[in-house]
Amino acid sequence: NAGVTQTPKFRVLKTGQSMTLLCAQDMNHEYMYWYRQDPGMGLRLIHYSVGEGTTAKGEVPDGYNVSRLKKQNFLLGLESAAPSQTSVYFCASSYGSQQPQHFGDGTRLSIL
Amino acid sequence: GNSVTQMEGPVTLSEEAFLTINCTYTATGYPSLFWYVQYPGEGLQLLLKATKADDKGSNKGFEATYRKETTSFHLEKGSVQVSDSAVYFCALRPNNAGNMLTFGGGTRLMVKP
Repeated sequence: NAGVTQTPKFRVLKTGQSMTLLCAQDMNHEYMYWYRQDPGMGLRLIHYSVGEGTTAKGEVPDGYNVSRLKKQNFLLGLESAAPSQTSVYFCASSYGSQQPQHFGDGTRLSIL
Repeated sequence: GNSVTQMEGPVTLSEEAFLTINCTYTATGYPSLFWYVQYPGEGLQLLLKATKADDKGSNKGFEATYRKETTSFHLEKGSVQVSDSAVYFCALRPNNAGNMLTFGGGTRLMVKP
């Protein structure tokens, strides 16, 4: 009964380093999303995907790239990390556009 | 653009007290409205929703009524428990934007025994 699984749970990077966050879902959902959560600002959508092989920009896409090579996985990449990208990142998935989103437990990322 | 405004927290209550967390929104048309809850160390979970004016969403003793005239979706519970301590997020989904959610800033609730 895994649902949405995010790896890693914590990571500390130095400015300029790159890394990839992995999101995996086992519910056969078509839609997947990446959000960042910052204090007092709720969640903001970075990128999303409406199906395997497709991606689209959300509200705050700059500095991030994504890929959806397999239906169950949605990867979020930071090519050159900046301190402004220190945040908690959440992945979510949904069966369709009108269905509830299911969230992972988050990845806490610190950029020094 | 669309926006959601929530009362700032933290909200601190004693067990069995009445809870209200205010939420107002700005959007065109008739969005769907949601409350999500985030327990410590976990992701968000859908708590309740309403899809049209005057609808009342309810779950686990929580209720919220979609008020078009006041553009509000306030969360209420008659008697809170320590286990309700969490962060609560109000969110909207425009009726023409697929599944794109706009979230409020969240309200932390702390319930003391």
